[in-house]
Order: sequence, then C-alpha cells, then structure tokens
Amino acid sequence: KAGVTQTPRYLIKTRGQQVTLSCSPISGHRSVSWYQQTPGQGLQFLFEYFSETQRNKGNFPGRFSGRQFSNSRSEMNVSTLELGDSALYLCASSTSTRVDTQYFGPGTRLTVL
Amino acid sequence: QKEVEQNSGPLSVPEGAIASLNCTYSDRGSQSFFWYRQYSGKSPELIMSIYSNGDKEDGRFTAQLNKASQYVSLLIRDSQPSDSATYLCAVNRSRGSQGNLIFGKGTKLSVKP
Repeated sequence: KAGVTQTPRYLIKTRGQQVTLSCSPISGHRSVSWYQQTPGQGLQFLFEYFSETQRNKGNFPGRFSGRQFSNSRSEMNVSTLELGDSALYLCASSTSTRVDTQYFGPGTRLTVL
Repeated sequence: QKEVEQNSGPLSVPEGAIASLNCTYSDRGSQSFFWYRQYSGKSPELIMSIYSNGDKEDGRFTAQLNKASQYVSLLIRDSQPSDSATYLCAVNRSRGSQGNLIFGKGTKLSVKP
C-alpha cells in the first residue's frame, strides 16, 4: 500500500506571499492531521480533518488554514508568509477507527526569505 | 510543566548495548502513547504504540507504560548504528479529537560502532 504523499517537497517563498501544500493520505485513511516542525518548537499540531470537516485546531494564527476533499486529500494554506513560518510541514493520515495512530508523509520543507 | 518531556540527549551507547529512552507526560487522561523514529532530514516513522500499563515488545524494541507515574519508555536491545536517530514520544490528548497528538522534542540517540 502506498504511503502518505506530500507535494511539493520543497518550497522557497518570500515574505508576504501565500503557499498551498497538498497531502494525499494512505488509501482508505480518512483522517488527516497537519503538523509544523521547527528546531526550536519541535512538532506542533496545526489541525485535523475527517470527512471534509475540521475536527480540531492547534494554537496557530488564522493565516494557517486547511481543507479536506471528498477523496480525503487535504491541503493547507498559509497566507501572508512570515520568516518564522519556515519549517517542515508534515501531514499524517490515520484510519477512522484509530485516528491517534498516525503515519507521516515525507513533509514539505518551506523556506521563507 | 511541559505536556510531554524528553531528555534531549544526545544519548550515546556502544553497539550491542541497550538504549533506554524516557518520556513523561502531564495529561492524566491520555490513553494512547507512541514512539516515532526520525532520521536526520526525514519524517517521523511510527515504531511502537502502547495503550495499557506494562511492557509491549516488538523485535528489539520494548515500550513500557506506567500511567500512575505518567511515564513511558522505549528500550532498544542490541543497538545498531542504524538506530542512530531522534526518537519522539507522542501522547494523545484526553479532551477533544483523538487525532491531536502532543509530541516531545525528542531524544537524539547515537550508537557507536
């Protein structure tokens, strides 16, 4: 079974721009969670989607948003990029019966200049 | 008190030795506990999950859980240089969606040949 895929793998943007990241979960998985990983803060939860509904949101500003499509694919968007948004953005998928058992994709490395 | 705490290391052990990684958590209601391995430049990989007090063994890995002490550990027997990585402890939240995992900042393990 194919794993979680994320595109693009690398992105370079400038301050003030916006960016959209994509995640395709493992086939059959309906829950998608997003995390931001930085050297200083570690892995921090952004939000979780299940059946196209956001079920939980972490402590991030409104510039961070996401959505999920009917095929369980998910996107996250960051508007008005700041230097501090430079990070590895990780998507994790899980089944509907065990949403806490999460499998990560390779991540998208975002650099904001 | 941090929600999930780990010793950042680095923890250095000789090849063939037992590596012991520890984690404490603050949410007494947490029910699910995970260990992820993250190689440098890669995404986290799920290696163990544990839900009940006691030990759970999988190959060279043993996870131990003590809910009364709010303590989780990971033992790696017969450590190999390929085990050199950062090990992340993750705990689910007792409130809200189960898909929101809280991660420790990780312990860096170095296995010397």
